[in-house]
Amino acid sequence: AQKITQTQPGMFVQEKEAVTLDCTYDTSDPSYGLFWYKQPSSGEMIFLIYQGSYDQQNATEGRYSLNFQKARKSANLVISASQLGDSAMYFCATSEGGSEKLVFGKGTKLTVNP
Amino acid sequence: GAVVSQHPSWVICKSGTSVKIECRSLDFQATTMFWYRQFPKQSLMLMATSNEGSKATYEQGVEKDKFLINHASLTLSTLTVTSAHPEDSSFYICSASPYRRAWVNTEAFFGQGTRLTVV
Repeated sequence: AQKITQTQPGMFVQEKEAVTLDCTYDTSDPSYGLFWYKQPSSGEMIFLIYQGSYDQQNATEGRYSLNFQKARKSANLVISASQLGDSAMYFCATSEGGSEKLVFGKGTKLTVNP
Repeated sequence: GAVVSQHPSWVICKSGTSVKIECRSLDFQATTMFWYRQFPKQSLMLMATSNEGSKATYEQGVEKDKFLINHASLTLSTLTVTSAHPEDSSFYICSASPYRRAWVNTEAFFGQGTRLTVV
């Protein structure tokens, strides 16, 4: 069964600095996807970035990049130039090949300080 | 990105009544939608997979008679919480994926979520 571990319940970062949110995963399927979502206090889940297990390069989307280390089963999210609006819960998730189901980690609460 | 709309965004109901939550894919067709539940300060837990034209697939421990799912069209799935009780109070959120690569899902878009309070 898939498993996602986010070891940081909370993180703090100064505005304009970069921050890394940790995520490790455990899956036996060679084909899988890794996702990061942002959940502000309003509750909506905002898709940030995706990395496929066969992707050779790390995914990037604007200020978001995914540091994919396959051998370590690690998929950390890097947010560059943090903004006050980045304060939210961040969830890492995975899906195994052929499935659209997502398994989520427990999340990390990010607080950006002015 | 693709748009998934969920309605209502919040609802308060009396214990013993039923509540229906709708999840619509606005600009794509979805043969499969997913329903998640999130308790305060916790992660999302998959409740069931909604399959267009067939029965939903429930995760272990989820009561299918309590959480009725209907996926009557390619753009609409409904979750009905029957005979709701205070312990059913939670945040319910649906998701759907408009496209996928050959072997793996690439994105899943979520509705806005529904905050259910049973009094």
